[in-house]
Amino acid sequence: DVKVTQSSRYLVKRTGEKVFLECVQDMDHENMFWYRQDPGLGLRLIYFSYDVKMKEKGDIPEGYSVSREKKERFSLILESASTNQTSMYLCASSLGGTGSDTQYFGPGTRLTVL
Amino acid sequence: AQSVTQLDSQVPVFEEAPVELRCNYSSSVSVYLFWYVQYPNQGLQLLLKYLSGSTLVKGINGFEAEFNKSQTSFHLRKPSVHISDTAEYFCAVSDWDQGAQKLVFGQGTRLTINP
Repeated sequence: DVKVTQSSRYLVKRTGEKVFLECVQDMDHENMFWYRQDPGLGLRLIYFSYDVKMKEKGDIPEGYSVSREKKERFSLILESASTNQTSMYLCASSLGGTGSDTQYFGPGTRLTVL
Repeated sequence: AQSVTQLDSQVPVFEEAPVELRCNYSSSVSVYLFWYVQYPNQGLQLLLKYLSGSTLVKGINGFEAEFNKSQTSFHLRKPSVHISDTAEYFCAVSDWDQGAQKLVFGQGTRLTINP
């Protein structure tokens, strides 16, 4: 079974702090994704990566950056956290190469910015 | 770019009743469609997906979905629901961007099963 793990289930940070969310997958997947989930808005793509050291902006990249130094690890960085970044953050991975790939999700990190 | 609309934000039903969760997508020459489920305090997991072939797709936990190209719909159904089906359900369509597949999700439908 594919396993996607996220470093924290719950996180509370102060406005202006730098925040790191870590995601690790154990199935040698090419593609990795970061989403945020808000009630009534579904999942919105922040950034994705289809190879080590490669990154592409998703639909809502403002205020975020990412890092992928190793194939299995994809980090989301909030350079200066703000209250409107309070949300559930979900990481996912997929094999890569075809449009029919299933994405496998981690359990999510619920971030609260005070 | 693809888009997905889930027509109901909340659907309450009684246990053992049938349910249909509606999903419409923007048209495209070819399309891959997915339904994911999110149980409370968990990530998303795949229920089923349509790639090609038979328009009726069967998934896990007794769910099925029907692909209708003319109506650009992919509605999810279950003939008899259980309390354990209480969850949020997301419809998604595959799209290509920058050489990688990405999923475009609908807003979600919260299914509540009442005893």
